[in-house]
Amino acid sequence: GAGVSQTPSNKVTEKGKYVELRCDPISGHTALYWYRQSLGQGPEFLIYFQGTGAADDSGLPNDRFFAVRPEGSVSTLKIQRTERGDSAVYLCASSEGAGGFDTQYFGPGTRLTVL
Amino acid sequence: AQRVTQPEKLLSVFKGAPVELKCNYSYSGSPELFWYVQYSRQRLQLLLRHISRESIKGFTADLNKGETSFHLKKPFAQEEDSAMYYCALLSFSGGYNKLIFGAGTRLAVHP
Repeated sequence: GAGVSQTPSNKVTEKGKYVELRCDPISGHTALYWYRQSLGQGPEFLIYFQGTGAADDSGLPNDRFFAVRPEGSVSTLKIQRTERGDSAVYLCASSEGAGGFDTQYFGPGTRLTVL
Repeated sequence: AQRVTQPEKLLSVFKGAPVELKCNYSYSGSPELFWYVQYSRQRLQLLLRHISRESIKGFTADLNKGETSFHLKKPFAQEEDSAMYYCALLSFSGGYNKLIFGAGTRLAVHP
């Protein structure tokens, strides 16, 4: 079946611009996660959705970052007034639940470059 | 603080040699640990989890609570094992789980 998909695969923007990154999870998965992976680092948790609600947004670095999942499926990560330090690969993952036996399936990521 | 440490950025071995990728963690509760792998041009995927006590592609990992370690081992490395390996800890806080990843180790297996 189809895995997690993310669009766009690459995004180049200028400092100060607004960007939206999209994630399509595996059908039926209620849990959805966003991670950010900077060069040479492992993925870093940003936000977790259970259904439509953001159950844990403690990883969002500041109020320029916001994410939604209005219908409990597709999610959009929104970044306002982008900064060069926002350049990274943004990963989305989904799972059936959020327990230890619930495997998180990752998308291919969106590589964001802020010039 | 909850943390996962992978001390080696790169591990280079020859085909057929034993491999051990190190992972240490810091967690106050009972840990659930995972190894994820990313092959070239592929997405991050789960390799194994300690609660399943499984062996995948010849890899095993044993949780050592005394040493707070979860090292990944394989007795005989193959060229196709070359990839980026990430150790991850499932952190339970506020009623929800999230993964905390280490910085990763690149395994290069030479012919």
